[in-house]
Amino acid sequence: NFMLTQPHSVSESPGQTVTISCTRSSGSIASDFVHWYQQRPGSAPTTVIYEDNRRPSGVPDRFSGSIDSSSNSASLTISGLKTEDEADYYCQSYDGTNLVFGGGTKLTVL
Amino acid sequence: QVQLVQSGAEVRKPGASVTVSCKASGYTFTGYYIYWVRQAPGQGLEWMGWINPTSGGTNYAQKFQGRVTMTRDTSISAAYMELRGLRSDDTALYFCARDSSSFYGEYWGQGTLVTVSS
Repeated sequence: NFMLTQPHSVSESPGQTVTISCTRSSGSIASDFVHWYQQRPGSAPTTVIYEDNRRPSGVPDRFSGSIDSSSNSASLTISGLKTEDEADYYCQSYDGTNLVFGGGTKLTVL
Repeated sequence: QVQLVQSGAEVRKPGASVTVSCKASGYTFTGYYIYWVRQAPGQGLEWMGWINPTSGGTNYAQKFQGRVTMTRDTSISAAYMELRGLRSDDTALYFCARDSSSFYGEYWGQGTLVTVSS
C-alpha cells in the first residue's frame, strides 16, 4: 500500500496560477492513474481531472493535471484563478485493491 | 443523466447500526462498481469499500472489515451500506459514488449525514 501526501493549504490571488502537488509514498506515480476532485463546503466532490490529465466535459481548461516521475508526484494546476475556485482539492489513486485518497488541500483565493 | 440519490440523515446511539441507501438512475446499474466514502467533520475523504452490483462481490477497507456490509438490490438499482457498532468517531457524511471503469468516483450522491451521539 502507499500514501498520497498533499500540502494542507495553498493560497494565491485571483488571476494567478497555483499548483497543488500529490506525492506518492512508494511505488511509481505512473503505475496507476491519478484523479483530482474539487469539493466545496457542504457539497459532494466533483471530478476536475481524471486519468492523470484528462478533463471532464464542463471543466474549464484552466484546470490541468500532470505527473512527474522524478518527484514521484502528480500535480493539479489551476490558471487564471477565480474566487469560485476556492475549495478543497483531493487527489486519488488506486493500489490494485483499494482507492487511496490524499489528505486534501484547501485552496484560498484572496 | 446519471443520478445517485441517498437516504436522509440519521441519528444513532453508540453501539447501534445504520444503513444508508443509494438509488441509482440514468445508467445500467450493473455496469459499474459503487464506492462508499465518508468524511468526518472538518476532515478529508476516507474510502470505505466497493460493491460490484453484478455479482454482489465486495471489497472493504481494512479499517472497516467486520463492521461494514455493502449490499445491492438490482431490481431497484440501489446499493446499501450498513455500519455496525457505531462510535462517536463514526459521525460523518457518507457518500456513495459510481465508478468510471478507471477506479475513481465519476458521479457522487449528495451525501448522508450520520450522527452518533448518546
